[in-house]
Amino acid sequence: TQLLEQSPQFLSIQEGENLTVYCNSSSVFSSLQWYRQEPGEGPVLLVTVVTGGEVKKLKRLTFQFGDARKDSSLHITAAQPGDTGLYLCAGGGNNAGNMLTFGGGTRLMVKP
Amino acid sequence: EAQVTQNPRYLITVTGKKLTVTCSQNMNHEYMSWYRQDPGLGLRQIYYSMNVEVTDKGDVPEGYKVSRKEKRNFPLILESPSPNQTSLYFCASSLAGSNTGELFFGEGSRLTVL
Repeated sequence: TQLLEQSPQFLSIQEGENLTVYCNSSSVFSSLQWYRQEPGEGPVLLVTVVTGGEVKKLKRLTFQFGDARKDSSLHITAAQPGDTGLYLCAGGGNNAGNMLTFGGGTRLMVKP
Repeated sequence: EAQVTQNPRYLITVTGKKLTVTCSQNMNHEYMSWYRQDPGLGLRQIYYSMNVEVTDKGDVPEGYKVSRKEKRNFPLILESPSPNQTSLYFCASSLAGSNTGELFFGEGSRLTVL
């Protein structure tokens, strides 16, 4: 079974600060997705990266897939209270039926 | 509106009392899946279905059953629930079972087994 570890598990910061969330594995993934989940709702896809070294930007969020496709990072610039939520990374494997392996999540709280 | 709908959203039951959590999607997706979410463990896949009448086990299938008689519906059945099945359950669907496809999740069903 492929495993994904996210760090930190919890993060509480002030509005305007920058932060980075990490997603690491000893396994190679064919793709890497990041989801955000708010209380009482299901996860919602933020981004998919598929190429080693790929960087994608979504407004203040920057996602990077490691060169070896074993890790990924999510960097948020000038965090806002609306960024509060649970961030989940998910690695795509080679078994089409079991699409994704999810990390344990990083719970982010941004205080005004 | 494109969505995945789960029912019930909240349920408290007792050990051994059979229950079904329904899931329906209106996006004509071929792929559907059930996950359970527990603190610190992320989302773990229970069962998935690549298409009608095609289902297969995920990582944690013990104690669960599913069926896929119609494309839009994918119910999760707990024949004899036990306290270790207390969890937050999510149904998800995708256009096709590819590992780059977007998963669309329902709002979740919080189950407590006493």
